[in-house]
Amino acid sequence: KNQVEQSPQSLIILEGKNCTLQCNYTVSPFSNLRWYKQDTGRGPVSLTIMTFSENTKSNGRYTATLDADTKQSSLHITASQLSDSASYICVVRLGSNYQLIWGAGTKLIIKP
Amino acid sequence: GAVVSQHPSWVICKSGTSVKIECRSLDFQATTMFWYRQFPKQSLMLMATSNEGSKATYEQGVEKDKFLINHASLTLSTLTVTSAHPEDSSFYICSVVGSTDTQYFGPGTRLTVL
Repeated sequence: KNQVEQSPQSLIILEGKNCTLQCNYTVSPFSNLRWYKQDTGRGPVSLTIMTFSENTKSNGRYTATLDADTKQSSLHITASQLSDSASYICVVRLGSNYQLIWGAGTKLIIKP
Repeated sequence: GAVVSQHPSWVICKSGTSVKIECRSLDFQATTMFWYRQFPKQSLMLMATSNEGSKATYEQGVEKDKFLINHASLTLSTLTVTSAHPEDSSFYICSVVGSTDTQYFGPGTRLTVL
């Protein structure tokens, strides 16, 4: 069964600290893996898209990693800011069509 | 990237009425748009794929007669929730896919059915 699991479910950290969010997937065939940021009451915004051959991709203070062998991905946030408070969703696209398999998300709260 | 708008941003209606939600791709011609639904504390769930000039493709378990989709132009898709009931209360989000396979989402529409 195609699944995307994220951990932790929620995370609270102090402003300025770093954090890492995890994503494990069992999706086949694999096309690419995306990380989205979703503010409460808003639509998701794309942070990174990684294909099978990409190990690391950065977008500002966000760095995503992908290990296609172990089927794991992480999203590292550096020097967190209050505006980073949001849900972060890991999504894997199937290689056979445009179907997206969505993770449940990690709710990140940054405290001052 | 593509800019996607939705209207209205929120709507409250009585049970049994119909509600229309518009999704516009402001700077990108989208032959395909996607409609999602998101319940509180849950992730997005794909409802249907809207195809310009043809019938929408619905996901399993989504009633096509209840959720009417019209994709009349390359920049506009509408979702009509017919005979809405309280269990239809949710956050409805549309999206388009850009040329680089990036998916751009609208800001969402919060539907509350009393």
